[in-house]
Amino acid sequence: GNSVTQMEGPVTLSEEAFLTINCTYTATGYPSLFWYVQYPGEGLQLLLKATKADDKGSNKGFEATYRKETTSFHLEKGSVQVSDSAVYFCALSDSGPTGGKLIFGQGTELSVKP
Amino acid sequence: DGGITQSPKYLFRKEGQNVTLSCEQNLNHDAMYWYRQDPGQGLRLIYYSQIVNDFQKGDIAEGYSVSREKKESFPLTVTSAQKNPTAFYLCASSLRLNPQHFGDGTRLSIL
Repeated sequence: GNSVTQMEGPVTLSEEAFLTINCTYTATGYPSLFWYVQYPGEGLQLLLKATKADDKGSNKGFEATYRKETTSFHLEKGSVQVSDSAVYFCALSDSGPTGGKLIFGQGTELSVKP
Repeated sequence: DGGITQSPKYLFRKEGQNVTLSCEQNLNHDAMYWYRQDPGQGLRLIYYSQIVNDFQKGDIAEGYSVSREKKESFPLTVTSAQKNPTAFYLCASSLRLNPQHFGDGTRLSIL
């Protein structure tokens, strides 16, 4: 069945460091891919998405490119801030771009130190 | 402002008791979802509904029940049959061709 695997956390970085959180997936067909962010005690917020191969999603300085050849959707940011400290979830939807029936990775906790 | 409201924020259940978690949305979304989140794990789908008066089981539906009598409401009941109910429960909704929006969650604990 479809699945998502993320790099394990927690990830601890200093402010202004470069961030990469790896995400790979297994899916039949052509899923849409998403990154969600969860701040402490809150629900999830959509960070970015990509709906087809080679699409690049971007938002708030974060980027991720849909790589079908490597079945990956790695999250990157060039310079992290303390306010980026949160848990990041990679997810895929096997229902097309509607976002229905999401399958999540286990989440990666990011801690950014001043 | 439009959004998803989950209540209560914290809930405690006694042994053998059923409890109901509320989820209301004013986004006019057709689809609604319930997820369970355990520490260090991703979200797992409990139930989802794509239209009023219809819903489907997700991956971990045992011990839970739902109803969808109104478009804006999708309550989740955690029954006494759910032996390990302690978790963070998240409700979400979506409109066709758009990703899911999430509420702020309900944290359920056992007394």
